[in-house]
Amino acid sequence: GAGVSQSPSNKVTEKGKDVELRCDPISGHTALYWYRQSLGQGLEFLIYFQGNSAPDKSGLPSDRFSAERTGGSVSTLTIQRTQQEDSAVYLCASTTRGQGAVGELFFGEGSRLTVL
Amino acid sequence: AQSVTQPDIHITVSEGASLELRCNYSYGATPYLFWYVQSPGQGLQLLLKYFSGDTLVQGIKGFEAEFKRSQSSFNLRKPSVHWSDAAEYFCAVGGRGGSQGNLIFGKGTKLSVKP
Repeated sequence: GAGVSQSPSNKVTEKGKDVELRCDPISGHTALYWYRQSLGQGLEFLIYFQGNSAPDKSGLPSDRFSAERTGGSVSTLTIQRTQQEDSAVYLCASTTRGQGAVGELFFGEGSRLTVL
Repeated sequence: AQSVTQPDIHITVSEGASLELRCNYSYGATPYLFWYVQSPGQGLQLLLKYFSGDTLVQGIKGFEAEFKRSQSSFNLRKPSVHWSDAAEYFCAVGGRGGSQGNLIFGKGTKLSVKP
């Protein structure tokens, strides 16, 4: 499709299980972001990928969270040993980069994670 | 440190009234400025952006914003609010400097519209 695609749209899991969230960015976009949005909260930056550079992981809340981006395209966010406080909507966005600067972000509709 | 402040967490306006949502930023480099809207259950959609040139920018859905460098502000305005404008609005600053992939979001302002 033409937009950012995220899957699953909804995920319910039990505390302690691992989950994987997938993001398919817009073709040709070199930069990819993951954000977390908890109920009533703003956007919490998690991780940022730009081309072949090392990702900026400064927003990951704990070592239970990790992400990878294969072939400069699809990205997977993994949460190990999920906790109830991980319940949130996880948003992915992609963009082009020009002259080192960020452009407009295109967001997916998010993956809603519920940890029971 | 780079930051974006949206001072109002929640605003309620009557349908047909004018609207102004505030955004202040602190950014060391030349800023690129964005407003996004998130309707309930939806992803974020770009309303408008400022990169350079005319400091008054027009966006979709009748919104506009004005970049005021002296005040480090980029306030969003609409002359007459419609019930469908009820949503959450996020201001963001990007550019060549800063962290988080050179893009920083405010915490959002939730807009409610009274009939």
